[in-house]
Amino acid sequence: SQKIEQNSEALNIQEGKTATLTCNYTNYSPAYLQWYRQDPGRGPVFLLLIRENEKEKRKERLKVTFDTTLKQSLFHITASQPADSATYLCALDITGAGSYQLTFGKGTKLSVIP
Amino acid sequence: EAQVTQNPRYLITVTGKKLTVTCSQNMNHEYMSWYRQDPGLGLRQIYYSMNVEVTDKGDVPEGYKVSRKEKRNFPLILESPSPNQTSLYFCASSLQGLSDTQYFGPGTRLTVL
Repeated sequence: SQKIEQNSEALNIQEGKTATLTCNYTNYSPAYLQWYRQDPGRGPVFLLLIRENEKEKRKERLKVTFDTTLKQSLFHITASQPADSATYLCALDITGAGSYQLTFGKGTKLSVIP
Repeated sequence: EAQVTQNPRYLITVTGKKLTVTCSQNMNHEYMSWYRQDPGLGLRQIYYSMNVEVTDKGDVPEGYKVSRKEKRNFPLILESPSPNQTSLYFCASSLQGLSDTQYFGPGTRLTVL
């Protein structure tokens, strides 16, 4: 069955550095993949969506890549700040094209140290 | 303000006492869904609805019911809650489906004793 794996449960980086988070999936390639940010006790907040025909997408200090050959998405935060500390989740349609079931990875907890 | 609201935000109940968690969105979204979040297990989808009167099971539907009689509302019903349903629940909505931004509610923390 399709699985989503976010490689690190936790990632600590120094302020100003670039944080890179990984999302891997198995089996078929989804049509798109999403990234969310979640703060403790709060609902996830949408950040970026990347489609299978897009290699890269940017939004301010955020960058997402999508490699359908490696079955992997990378999420980058450049010039990281303590305010970026949160859990980051990737999500995709796990059951197949045309389904309506969205599945989330377990997330990576990012801590940006001043 | 565009938003997804959930009520109640916190609930402590006892085993077997039926409860309903309401979810409402004011964005005229067609797609709505419910998730539960547990430590170590992440967010798991319970049920989703593509439109009025159209619902389907997610990953963990056992012990839950939903209904979609109106576009804006998508209540989650626990007919006979059990302690293993103690969790943080989130409702979400999007314009049409998975390729659209999912807007999440603030969450409902449920404890079943």
